[in-house]
Amino acid sequence: RKEVEQDPGPFNVPEGATVAFNCTYSNSASQSFFWYRQDCRKEPKLLMSVYSSGNEDGRFTAQLNRASQYISLLIRDSKLSDSATYLCVVNLWRGSTLGRLYFGRGTQLTVWP
Amino acid sequence: IAGITQAPTSQILAAGRRMTLRCTQDMRHNAMYWYRQDLGLGLRLIHYSNTAGTTGKGEVPDGYSVSRANTDDFPLTLASAVPSQTSVYFCASSDSAGMWDTQYFGPGTRLTVL
Repeated sequence: RKEVEQDPGPFNVPEGATVAFNCTYSNSASQSFFWYRQDCRKEPKLLMSVYSSGNEDGRFTAQLNRASQYISLLIRDSKLSDSATYLCVVNLWRGSTLGRLYFGRGTQLTVWP
Repeated sequence: IAGITQAPTSQILAAGRRMTLRCTQDMRHNAMYWYRQDLGLGLRLIHYSNTAGTTGKGEVPDGYSVSRANTDDFPLTLASAVPSQTSVYFCASSDSAGMWDTQYFGPGTRLTVL
């Protein structure tokens, strides 16, 4: 079983729409959580960290539900420039081993005019 | 500031050949990582280094080796390439291997093994 599971999509939405992505993680010992963004044929870049209380950065809102082991990303007022693949990422510490990132396969978003 | 550079950008390699992918960062980050990204599988960790002089195995280390002689460089070597190593390889670095540290990625190397 993969550490991180995501709906691969694709999600195709018009400009201005609100879209939500979900992600589940398998290990309750996971300790930190992130959303990364990856444009086509480019490197992943950090979009935002996901804190237990939830956090917002402009049009982006991230939520964490530790009880359900579930992470979400909400994008409001979608822009054409939001078209990308969104990667759900968890940092898992296993015993004495330092934390390692585990990446979901990504959810593809296309915003159309 | 360049951040992380990787070389080559792309490479076509005959099976059985030896290949070293280069990675250099100028951010003085302690931790560095190598990932491979395959369609439908996402990013998987190959090897990592928490600080110069130390390395460790990730999720898919077989067929790969790394060294970390200094802070800036973290080369990945394929001793005898096989077609299943065809992939996009990303090098990354972070200030440390801490819980909330951001990993910064290089532009990637597209490797095809025939």
